Amino acid sequence: KAGVTQTPRYLIKTRGQQVTLSCSPISGHRSVSWYQQTPGQGLQFLFEYFSETQRNKGNFPGRFSGRQFSNSRSEMNVSTLELGDSALYLCASSLEGGEGQPQHFGDGTRLSIL
Amino acid sequence: DQQVKQNSPSLSVQEGRISILNCDYTNSMFDYFLWYKKYPAEGPTFLISISSIKDKNEDGRFTVFLNKSAKHLSLHIVPSQPGDSAVYFCASQGGSEKLVFGKGTKLTVNP
Repeated sequence: KAGVTQTPRYLIKTRGQQVTLSCSPISGHRSVSWYQQTPGQGLQFLFEYFSETQRNKGNFPGRFSGRQFSNSRSEMNVSTLELGDSALYLCASSLEGGEGQPQHFGDGTRLSIL
Repeated sequence: DQQVKQNSPSLSVQEGRISILNCDYTNSMFDYFLWYKKYPAEGPTFLISISSIKDKNEDGRFTVFLNKSAKHLSLHIVPSQPGDSAVYFCASQGGSEKLVFGKGTKLTVNP
């Protein structure tokens, strides 16, 4: 069974640009969550999508947004990039979402802002 | 406010011995706890979980213990193997999909 796939693996952007990251969940998984990992803050929750609807949101500015398609694939968008957005962005999927179901992670997209 | 704390940034043990990784939490609403392992350049891999209605869950060499009164959980790895060398994250959930992570403990198992 294929795992969670994230593309691209690496991305370099400059300040002020925008970026779109993609995530394909495990087949049959309907919940997709996004996390940001930085050395100082660790892993922090961005948002969760289920059935094309954002169900939970973390404490990130509105520049961070996402969406989910009918096939459960998800995209995350960051606009007006700042140096502090440099991080590893991880996507995780689970069957139905909610408490008690382990989330399975992709290998992430490493975003570097110059 | 760090709701999940892993106070040991690193831990070194000998192959064959027990590894004990600790995690403390502050939010009483957390009722599901997970451990993930992460190798460099890879995403976290789910290891084992425990619900707050239990105090122990075992899966092969991995056992998680939960002490709700102390708001403390630990992961025991017995026997430790060099391939277990990785960063281990404790995570908690309380009523939603959102995982709250600790900052991780880097485990090194020496041959």
